[in-house]
Amino acid sequence: QKEVEQNSGPLSVPEGAIASLNCTYSDRGSQSFFWYRQYSGKSPELIMSIYSNGDKEDGRFTAQLNKASQYVSLLIRDSQPSDSATYLCAPSVPGSARQLTFGSGTQLTVLP
Amino acid sequence: NAGVMQNPRHLVRRRGQEARLRCSPMKGHSHVYWYRQLPEEGLKFMVYLQKENIIDESGMPKERFSAEFPKEGPSILRIQQVVRGDSAAYFCASSSTGAHNSPLHFGNGTRLTVT
Repeated sequence: QKEVEQNSGPLSVPEGAIASLNCTYSDRGSQSFFWYRQYSGKSPELIMSIYSNGDKEDGRFTAQLNKASQYVSLLIRDSQPSDSATYLCAPSVPGSARQLTFGSGTQLTVLP
Repeated sequence: NAGVMQNPRHLVRRRGQEARLRCSPMKGHSHVYWYRQLPEEGLKFMVYLQKENIIDESGMPKERFSAEFPKEGPSILRIQQVVRGDSAAYFCASSSTGAHNSPLHFGNGTRLTVT
């Protein structure tokens, strides 16, 4: 079982729709969760962090965490073509010197 | 620019040569991480360093690869006797602490091409 699994892409949504990106993780000790966005040929950019069960909203982005189910998701409302990128999920385990293990990412395309 | 600085942005080496990649962390950050990203693949952890110490190098290939973060100056990732399979994007990231809730901030990467 992979440590971090993300829904296989590519994912295409029309402009204005909600994009839903999912991530499951295997290490129950994970306490912090980060979402990064990576445009093609660019570096990963931190867009959301979540530490507690429930929802966390930041503008058009909402992160959802359910530690019991070992599941974290990212919703993008009113998707824009500029949201087209690969989204990386990264759980973090206290005491883990490696700190972040990344999922392979979900490639999102927002169609105008 | 107070962000993570990597150089060079692009590096071309012939097989057998050495590649040196440099990374200066964000101001105030003392924790540095190196990741490698092969074409169409995810980010793979290589090594985690603090000043003058290698904390975790479990992701580093056993041969030809080494990393350092001296007391003064940038962190260096060195690849000796490069092979075509080393062609990849190498990203450096830094964080303010090594705590699990401290996010990583990435540099723009070095794209290594081995010919």
